[in-house]
Amino acid sequence: EVQLVESGGGLVQPGRSLKFSCAASGFTFSDYAMAWVRQAPKKGLEWVATIIYDGSSTYYRDSVKGRFTISRDNAKSTLYLQMDSLRSEDTATYYCARLANRGGWFAYWGQGTLVTVSS
Amino acid sequence: DVVMTQTPVSLPVSLGGQASISCRSSQSLVHSNGNTYLHWYLQKPGQSPQLLIYRVSNRFSGVPDRFSGSGSGTDFTLKISRVEPEDLGDYYCLQSTHFPPLTFGSGTKLEIK
Repeated sequence: EVQLVESGGGLVQPGRSLKFSCAASGFTFSDYAMAWVRQAPKKGLEWVATIIYDGSSTYYRDSVKGRFTISRDNAKSTLYLQMDSLRSEDTATYYCARLANRGGWFAYWGQGTLVTVSS
Repeated sequence: DVVMTQTPVSLPVSLGGQASISCRSSQSLVHSNGNTYLHWYLQKPGQSPQLLIYRVSNRFSGVPDRFSGSGSGTDFTLKISRVEPEDLGDYYCLQSTHFPPLTFGSGTKLEIK
């Protein structure tokens, strides 16, 4: 069974940094691209970043480019999101998602971790 | 960026009835490889999203055949027949043809009439 378990969210002040992770199991992690998707309170879904299977390429939405870094450790089957220079508009639940092979859609999702950016 | 327009915003339905959700894209979702990468998700209250339909009309593993997807080019539809209580929640379309970015529709809330 595919499992994605996020951890490390919390309350952080504007301008500060936060890094959280997603532990994957139930599949060969190194075979799949992974992504982060977020959802602000009472709002819709928003793609944040994608990393391909071996970590050699990464993609970001414009509003987080230069502030967020997606990375992975295939030996540990773990996905990361480093968030710097946080803003109030980054407040959201962040979901880890596994992409399908050859298609770019999100086949499996984690339960999400809440990040609140506030002073 | 491709803009995905979903309608309606809210959809009251009777249990056992049928629901139809529309998703329109600002440009064609036909990829240069001939495939169309339009997908549908359901987010039940308090839960993470779950994949229902991928590539317009393919049901994901375990999804009942009450759910069906159709469409082409820029116009797509998700139909739910014989609506059950477990179908209630927020439905989103997603395009992955033109990447980056991946873009979602704004969502449709399916609720009991």
